[in-house]
Amino acid sequence: TQLLEQSPQFLSIQEGENLTVYCNSSSVFSSLQWYRQEPGEGPVLLVTVVTGGEVKKLKRLTFQFGDARKDSSLHITAAQPGDTGLYLCAGNRDDKIIFGKGTRLHILP
Amino acid sequence: EAQVTQNPRYLITVTGKKLTVTCSQNMNHEYMSWYRQDPGLGLRQIYYSMNVEVTDKGDVPEGYKVSRKEKRNFPLILESPSPNQTSLYFCASSLRGSAAYEQYFGPGTRLTVT
Repeated sequence: TQLLEQSPQFLSIQEGENLTVYCNSSSVFSSLQWYRQEPGEGPVLLVTVVTGGEVKKLKRLTFQFGDARKDSSLHITAAQPGDTGLYLCAGNRDDKIIFGKGTRLHILP
Repeated sequence: EAQVTQNPRYLITVTGKKLTVTCSQNMNHEYMSWYRQDPGLGLRQIYYSMNVEVTDKGDVPEGYKVSRKEKRNFPLILESPSPNQTSLYFCASSLRGSAAYEQYFGPGTRLTVT
């Protein structure tokens, strides 16, 4: 059972478009994280959200934690080729860290 | 520079030949993990350690061993590797074992078992 479901799995859009990717669960999480991974490298943290309803912005990236703390979204405004990568969400299950399978994003110039 | 190092970066081996992948962090982090990443399956936690001498199974521990004798080191041991352990492996560390703390990942070890 995948505790963190990410959608879509793949997304290919033109430079300049907006997009939203999702991380959903039936479980409540005390916090969720978003990481970005580029080919041949380890994931790098983008943001941590800890409060239900919280919105955090990182330049053109907007992250939201659901009110019930079961889901999160990542919205990218005016996507650029440099946004290309694998976006992963992560949360705690007891002392373990679990990841969603990721959304592979490709921005076409 | 704060970092997690893994060695080797690439390894091709044969079935049954014991191997160790080393992992070291210089940030005095308590929590360390090993993950494997496979197409379509994502990142899955193999083992984790809350602190020195404390290790526990993640979601896919079969065929792996770990030890945490020192805070900075967390080696992954494959006693008898099999082809289904061909994968990309990542070591990670964080201050504490919570998704409220940033995990720092090593550069990865690509393992092929023939």
